[in-house]
Amino acid sequence: NAGVTQTPKFRVLKTGQSMTLLCAQDMNHEYMYWYRQDPGMGLRLIHYSVGEGTTAKGEVPDGYNVSRLKKQNFLLGLESAAPSQTSVYFCASSSGPGQLNTEAFFGQGTRLTVV
Amino acid sequence: RKEVEQDPGPFNVPEGATVAFNCTYSNSASQSFFWYRQDCRKEPKLLMSVYSSGNEDGRFTAQLNRASQYISLLIRDSKLSDSATYLCVVRRDSSYKLIFGSGTRLLVRP
Repeated sequence: NAGVTQTPKFRVLKTGQSMTLLCAQDMNHEYMYWYRQDPGMGLRLIHYSVGEGTTAKGEVPDGYNVSRLKKQNFLLGLESAAPSQTSVYFCASSSGPGQLNTEAFFGQGTRLTVV
Repeated sequence: RKEVEQDPGPFNVPEGATVAFNCTYSNSASQSFFWYRQDCRKEPKLLMSVYSSGNEDGRFTAQLNRASQYISLLIRDSKLSDSATYLCVVRRDSSYKLIFGSGTRLLVRP
């Protein structure tokens, strides 16, 4: 069972470069999320999507963009990377409210370093 | 004030000990509650959901107190393999949003 798959797992970027992180889920979940995790900060929501073709901002959206053209994929883009975006990025998916099981399933994370 | 608060620890306990973590949440509209476990440099994984009547899964017991707005996790007979960070998560059923606490770190020593 693949669950939630993130690519790449590691990346080093130079300041100003751009990149896209890909998240794919095979559980037919409606909701998908991008979080970043920094030491002592816990998981902070960057952007989320409640369905194909919809996206919305979370707590810390600045410097990131997202797209959800297909239900199973959620892309996170960094247009011009900054050292402050050095972090571990987690994608997650879940079924929507009102479903029996609403827990979130996470990808393995992407460790991004911006130098 | 954070919407979900946890004692960051670390809790350093010997094998076989019983340890309890508490988590408080500020939004009374929160409806779904979970404990996740996160190992170092790994993704969070669901440990257990928390039900209104409390629930148990082997050595783990979760309790919910809606009146006081806190959730607890009790681990009995701690194992070395229980060493991890435990994340408290709440969700309002009317919302997309999963709110994470910063986590409580547990170290179980031989």
